[in-house]
Amino acid sequence: EVQLVQSGAEVKQSGESLKISCQGFGYRFTTYWIGWVRQMPGKGLEWMGIIFPVDSDTRYNPSFQAQVTISVDKSINTAYLQWRSLKATDSAMYYCVRFGGSGTYYKLGIDSWGQGTLVTVSS
Amino acid sequence: QPVVTQEPSLTVSPGGTVTLTCASSTGAVTSGYYPNWFQQKPGQAPRALIYSTSNKYSWTPARVSGFILGGKAALTLSGVQPEDEADYYCLLYTAGIQVFGGGTKLTVL
Repeated sequence: EVQLVQSGAEVKQSGESLKISCQGFGYRFTTYWIGWVRQMPGKGLEWMGIIFPVDSDTRYNPSFQAQVTISVDKSINTAYLQWRSLKATDSAMYYCVRFGGSGTYYKLGIDSWGQGTLVTVSS
Repeated sequence: QPVVTQEPSLTVSPGGTVTLTCASSTGAVTSGYYPNWFQQKPGQAPRALIYSTSNKYSWTPARVSGFILGGKAALTLSGVQPEDEADYYCLLYTAGIQVFGGGTKLTVL
């Protein structure tokens, strides 16, 4: 069974750094695109960016490119989403997602979601 | 950034049929936008229903179908059940990135 297990909820102060994680189980982690999706409280879903673990090919939504860094550690089947300096507006639920294969990502579909990591940033 | 637009809310009676649509500010949606559809219930992570316009997953109910209709991506739910009450999001590939629609809140009443 495919599982994406995310790190636990975080409470941070504005200006602090943060790195949340997403570990894949039940499949060959390196050959599936992994992405991150933001959901602000009471709002819709936002596509932040994706990474292909085998070569760390990374694509960002321009709206998020300057704000976050997506990375991966193949040795432990884990993807990361990182902030250098959090803002109160970064408070949201963050989901990692798996795309359905190793080809052109947008043709594959998103077939699995992590349970979400709630990030709360106080100003 | 492109804007993807969905109906903010729809209401359907149990047993009825409802169609949700998904439009792009970049133009008429075609299969080349590779539409995806997701369902999200309160307090849960979203769940995938459809990818690449009309392809279903093993868990997608048979009464759910995706297609292109009049320049928009569309999702039809037939024989609606109370458990279909949820938020539904489309995802389109446009202008080099994927963009989610704002979501449709489906009420079964």
